[in-house]
Amino acid sequence: AQSVAQPEDQVNVAEGNPLTVKCTYSVSGNPYLFWYVQYPNRGLQFLLKYITGDNLVKGSYGFEAEFNKSQTSFHLKKPSALVSDSALYFCAVRDIYGGSQGNLIFGKGTKLSVKP
Amino acid sequence: DVKVTQSSRYLVKRTGEKVFLECVQDMDHENMFWYRQDPGLGLRLIYFSYDVKMKEKGDIPEGYSVSREKKERFSLILESASTNQTSMYLCASSSGHNTGELFFGEGSRLTVL
Repeated sequence: AQSVAQPEDQVNVAEGNPLTVKCTYSVSGNPYLFWYVQYPNRGLQFLLKYITGDNLVKGSYGFEAEFNKSQTSFHLKKPSALVSDSALYFCAVRDIYGGSQGNLIFGKGTKLSVKP
Repeated sequence: DVKVTQSSRYLVKRTGEKVFLECVQDMDHENMFWYRQDPGLGLRLIYFSYDVKMKEKGDIPEGYSVSREKKERFSLILESASTNQTSMYLCASSSGHNTGELFFGEGSRLTVL
């Protein structure tokens, strides 16, 4: 079965420092991986995706993610955190075997807190 | 700008009431989804639809039904609301190919008393 794990419930970072939000996946075959962000009482916003090609994917708001096939990871990164980056972050993998066309399987989310 | 619109942001209902959550997308997407989001559980798929009048059960369909009479509209129905259905409900849509991302609405926060 396909799955996504976000091992940290919360990540705390000081403003200006680099941030990493971790994600590992378990799939058969090549994974299609996504990151989303959710601000309080809002829907999810798409940040970036990995389908194929370069392992370093750049996305919205200065975020990037590195696909590592040997470690089955897709960690989200940003060189310099902003207070406004504080939000809930979800990693997801495309469900291509479950019969639910286009569905994403989501991790449980990681709350990012950036302090001034 | 692409848009998924959920008609109600906040609802308060009583146990046993029938609840309709409406979702409309303007991107001509084939796929539409209803998720519920609960703290510590992430997003769980309730139902999805890949075409008009077509629907498939997700991971937690019990207590819910859906309707898709037009391509742009996907409705979630709680026939008899219960307190354990208090949650945030998220609608999403995507195009028909596997590499497309999901576009989400703003969410509907339902409280059942």
